[in-house]
This record gives sequence, C-alpha cells and structure tokens, in this order.
Amino acid sequence: NAGVTQTPKFQVLKTGQSMTLQCAQDMNHEYMSWYRQDPGMGLRLIHYSVGAGITDQGEVPNGYNVSRSTTEDFPLRLLSAAPSQTSVYFCASSYEVPSSYNEQFFGPGTRLTVL
Amino acid sequence: QQQVKQSPQSLIVQKGGISIINCAYENTAFDYFPWYQQFPGKGPALLIAIRPDVSEKKEGRFTISFNKSAKQFSLHIMDSQPGDSATYFCAGGGTSGSRLTFGEGTQLTVNP
Repeated sequence: NAGVTQTPKFQVLKTGQSMTLQCAQDMNHEYMSWYRQDPGMGLRLIHYSVGAGITDQGEVPNGYNVSRSTTEDFPLRLLSAAPSQTSVYFCASSYEVPSSYNEQFFGPGTRLTVL
Repeated sequence: QQQVKQSPQSLIVQKGGISIINCAYENTAFDYFPWYQQFPGKGPALLIAIRPDVSEKKEGRFTISFNKSAKQFSLHIMDSQPGDSATYFCAGGGTSGSRLTFGEGTQLTVNP
C-alpha cells in the first residue's frame, strides 16, 4: 500500500492564483481531512469528509474548497491564493473519525509559498 | 478557541534523560488522546494514545500519564535518544464525533 500520497511536494504561487493540492489514499478509508501546519499553531483542520459526496468545514475553511467524488481522492482547492495561506498542508485519512479504534494516517505534506 | 494547550514549545534534553511534554484540554467530550511524532520534512505519525478510563499507558520508552480530574495529560520519554529529536503533538478527540484538535507542538532536541 502507498498509504496517503500528496502532490505536489512544493509549490510557489503568486497572490491571486488558484491551484489544487492533490490527496489520495489506497486504504479504503472513509474519513479524510486536510490540515495546515503553521509554526506555534499546531495542526488546524481545514475541511474533512466522512465519505464520498460528503464534506464539511473544519476550524479554518475560508479560502479553501474541497470535493469528494471518490473514496480514494480528496483534493483541496485554493480559489485565490493569499500570502496568509503560506503553510505546510497535510492530508490524512482513517476508516472513521479518528479514535482509539481508528488510527489516522498522514501524508508527507505539501509546502506552499504564496508571494 | 484553542481547546488543547501544549507546553513547552521547545525542549532540550541530554541523551539518557527524561523528556516530559504536557497538555491540557477543555472539552470533556474528548475520549481519545493521541500523541503524534513528526520528523523534519515528514507527516505526523501516531506514537501512542490513551483513553480517559485509564491513568497511564506505556509502550517501550514512551508513557502517557492521564489526569481526568485536572483535564491534563503528559508524554514521558524515558532514556531519551538523539533519534527521538522531533516535533511532538498532543491531540484530543474521539468517538463522540469531536474532530481531532491538536496542541501547538513541542520541538524536542536530544543532545548526544
């Protein structure tokens, strides 16, 4: 199993540009989520999905869109990039909501810089 | 609102010493408290986790101590090694439907 994969690994955007961060998992997990990691702020939940066709907002959803057309894929779209979106983005997945019975697995991350 | 507070922000320990990282939570609906370990350039990986119905869980050199009444839990790394140098995150969440909420992270450096 490849686990959770993310592309690209690095990306530089100019303010106002749009892009999609890709995330895929091959573990047949229903629950997928996107986090951003900023120094001193831990991991903050952007959006999450409990299954294909179902998405919901996390703690910091503004400026980001998601969709879940298949179990495997959960792309994150930046509609109009802003310097405040400079961060490291992690995708994660688990069978259900992370708990003692459902370990959450993280991808390797995408480092995004917005100029 | 930060529901999980983690301290210290950074920690330097000598090889063979004990590393202690503390977390405090607010949401009493949490029933799952994991610790994640993250090496530079990598994604976080589950290290050890505890449920609130036990006060301690040990896996090798790593121990979680849990104090439900104080709403606090901590990670103890015994006989710390340079290979333990990483960023550690605590979190709270669980089957109640609460999404995982992470602490701010602690950067641990173990000197040889």
